[in-house]
Amino acid sequence: AQSVSQHNHHVILSEAASLELGCNYSYGGTVNLFWYVQYPGQHLQLLLKYFSGDPLVKGIKGFEAEFIKSKFSFNLRKPSVQWSDTAEYFCAVNANQAGTALIFGKGTTLSVSS
Amino acid sequence: DTGVSQNPRHKITKRGQNVTFRCDPISEHNRLYWYRQTLGQGPEFLTYFQNEAQLEKSRLLSDRFSAERPKGSFSTLEIQRTEQGDSAMYLCASSLDRDRGHGYTFGSGTRLTVV
Repeated sequence: AQSVSQHNHHVILSEAASLELGCNYSYGGTVNLFWYVQYPGQHLQLLLKYFSGDPLVKGIKGFEAEFIKSKFSFNLRKPSVQWSDTAEYFCAVNANQAGTALIFGKGTTLSVSS
Repeated sequence: DTGVSQNPRHKITKRGQNVTFRCDPISEHNRLYWYRQTLGQGPEFLTYFQNEAQLEKSRLLSDRFSAERPKGSFSTLEIQRTEQGDSAMYLCASSLDRDRGHGYTFGSGTRLTVV
């Protein structure tokens, strides 16, 4: 069975600081990987995704993530965070087969102070 | 199209009562998923449909839970004899099966409080 582990439960940063959120998954086959963001009071939104090709993927709002297959990792990064990045971030994975359900990590709460 | 729509947004019910939630997916999406999210946790998969067929159910989905998707359009999730542990946000998402690498579009959820 697939599983997702997010290492940081709550991250507190000042504006302009760099961000890296860890995500590791457990699955032996080919996977699709996602980061979702949930801003306060809003629904889950797709931040970025990886399913093949360049392991460094860029998403919206300056976020990027790198898929390292040998480490089963898909860490999220942003060089300089803004106060508006305060949100909950979820890493998710599904097997690269049509219709398999997304499995989510427990999430990381990011708080950015201005 | 306005995305995935869920109703009601909030539901407060007494323990033991039955509740039903509705999800209207993006019209061209043939896959529909139900998740449950509790405070401090990520969404937990409950079940999914391809068109009208329910193809997978999580072990989290007890016998008190039932989901339907008649005609492959909207879906309903019913919880019978609600318990306090059922209090959570119930999320619906939809996707196109050929876009398996594109992720899901989520609705805003239905928050259930069982008192």
